[in-house]
Amino acid sequence: SYVLTQPPSVSVAPGQAAKITCGGSNIGGKSVHWYQQRPGQAPVQVVYDERDRPSGIPERVSGSKSGNTATLTISRVEAGDEADYYCQVWDSSHDDWVFGGGTKLTVL
Amino acid sequence: QITLKESGPTLVKPTQTLTLTCTFSGFSLSTTAVGVGWIRQPPGKALEWLALIYWNDAKRYSPSLQSRLTITADTSKNQVVLTMTNMDPVDTATYYCAHMIWSGPFDYWGQGALVTVSS
Repeated sequence: SYVLTQPPSVSVAPGQAAKITCGGSNIGGKSVHWYQQRPGQAPVQVVYDERDRPSGIPERVSGSKSGNTATLTISRVEAGDEADYYCQVWDSSHDDWVFGGGTKLTVL
Repeated sequence: QITLKESGPTLVKPTQTLTLTCTFSGFSLSTTAVGVGWIRQPPGKALEWLALIYWNDAKRYSPSLQSRLTITADTSKNQVVLTMTNMDPVDTATYYCAHMIWSGPFDYWGQGALVTVSS
């Protein structure tokens, strides 16, 4: 089955930029989506199709992809950004919707 | 405004069958390309996709769990039902339903329902 690999944790000081990576074989051929999950809450979509933001998501949240890695970047990090972040793709070869293992973003 | 809400038992015994209902509003499951999926999350662990049903009644299941899962829809009631057989303590998790178009993303999520499997 298809595997997406994320770092378990990322720490960043307020005002700095946080980068969360998501690696997968041939991820370049797949659409990557990102979700934020605050403690005790349901996931919320923050980026879809690598780099598009749903309405209400601030511009300082952005996505990109290069080679076998997709990246979620949160600029000017705030305390409210502290959450778990998950990447997700649709594996068309197996009709399987796959999530990464999640990354806990800690604001120092 | 799209909303979804999960309902079902909070506690099931090992070997029992779990039945969860997702009641939604703000969209129709009869509209082309619309789908409703189920995703679960064990305590402290990652999200895991389980099943999906489309507007045309096409169904998709997680390859690792498909022998235990059944997903159905009642479009007249705006409900999607997931059943999971032979429940085990490792199936203890928060179960979410979510809206999607075609193959994703999951753009609207329910609040989740915690199901504990214990004797």
